[in-house]
Amino acid sequence: RKEVEQDPGPFNVPEGATVAFNCTYSNSASQSFFWYRQDCRKEPKLLMSVYSSGNEDGRFTAQLNRASQYISLLIRDSKLSDSATYLCVVNQAGTALIFGKGTTLSVSS
Amino acid sequence: DAGVIQSPRHEVTEMGQEVTLRCKPISGHDYLFWYRQTMMRGLELLIYFNNNVPIDDSGMPEDRFSAKMPNASFSTLKIQPSEPRDSAVYFCASSFTRLATNYGYTFGSGTRLTVV
Repeated sequence: RKEVEQDPGPFNVPEGATVAFNCTYSNSASQSFFWYRQDCRKEPKLLMSVYSSGNEDGRFTAQLNRASQYISLLIRDSKLSDSATYLCVVNQAGTALIFGKGTTLSVSS
Repeated sequence: DAGVIQSPRHEVTEMGQEVTLRCKPISGHDYLFWYRQTMMRGLELLIYFNNNVPIDDSGMPEDRFSAKMPNASFSTLKIQPSEPRDSAVYFCASSFTRLATNYGYTFGSGTRLTVV
């Protein structure tokens, strides 16, 4: 079983749509959680950290369910510029960040 | 700060040749990480350093790969001899902490390696 699993997509949505991505992780000892964004042929960049109580940053909302070992990212009012690959990332004791393979989002006009 | 700087951006080499990738982390970051990204396997951790000391190299695929960090501002990843299956994008990242709580890691632009 992979340590971090994501649906690769692609998710094809129109501008203005709401889209949600999910991610599961295998190690219950994971301590910190993130969503990264990666544009085509670019480096991954931190989108937002994910906190146990859930957190929001503008149009983006992240949720964490430790009991189910599940992380989600909700994007409201999608923009063309949101088109990218979204990487679910976890960190557990004794290791560095572990990345999922990503979910590809394509927003069209 | 200029961010994490990697060189070269692109490298094309013949099978059997030695390849050296370079990374300059963000000043003040104590942790440096080398990752490799392929379509099949995604982003994989190869090795990471803390205060210039290698901490976990379990992700290094085989003895052909080696990494060094002679000082706080420079690291190299060497592949000798290179093989076509080493073709990938190699990213270097740095951070204040391993857990990266709140801040995550900052990645360089990557080196796109093609071994023919």
